[in-house]
Amino acid sequence: EVQLVESGGGLVQPGRSLRLSCAASGFTFDDYAMHWVRQAPGKGLEWVSGISWNSGRKGYADSVKGRFTISRDNAKNSLYLQMNSLRAEDTALYYCAKDDSGGITMILDWGQGTLVTVSS
Amino acid sequence: QSALTQPASVSGSPGQSITISCTGTSNDVGSFNLVTWYQRHPGKAPKLVIYEDNKRPSGVSHRFSGSKSGNTASLTISGLQAEDEADYYCCSYARSYTVVFGGGTKVTVL
Repeated sequence: EVQLVESGGGLVQPGRSLRLSCAASGFTFDDYAMHWVRQAPGKGLEWVSGISWNSGRKGYADSVKGRFTISRDNAKNSLYLQMNSLRAEDTALYYCAKDDSGGITMILDWGQGTLVTVSS
Repeated sequence: QSALTQPASVSGSPGQSITISCTGTSNDVGSFNLVTWYQRHPGKAPKLVIYEDNKRPSGVSHRFSGSKSGNTASLTISGLQAEDEADYYCCSYARSYTVVFGGGTKVTVL
């Protein structure tokens, strides 16, 4: 069974940084691309970033490009999201998600999410 | 990166069929057979109900079906049941290693 467990969320001031982590189990992690998706309060789902199986391909939403960096450590079965220059509009529940393939194509499985609140 | 367009809400009576549309562009929905649909109940993680435009994962009811024509994808729920009341999101691969979601549709069972 695929398990994705996010951590690292919390309350952070505007302009500061935060690093999210996702621990994956139940599948061969380095066979699959991975994603971060968020949902702000009262809003819909928003894709944030994706990374291919070998980190060779990365994609970002325009809203986070230049501020967020996605990475992975296949030896640790872990996915990360480094979030810099955080803004109030980054406040959201952040989901770690697994792709269907090694490339960035489509999201099949989801974690339960970690909450990030950006506020002074 | 523009969000895919979905109706904000759709409603139907038990036993009826409803269809949710998802309109994109030739840069996403219209160019790739990679539309997915997710069901999301309050407080729960999204659940995949359709992938690759019209394929149903094992364990998902046959009452859920997907289709696509040009830049518009659709999710049909037949034999509507109370448990189908939820938010539904479409999603598509777009160009340059990006993915885009629709704004979501709230399905109400009357």
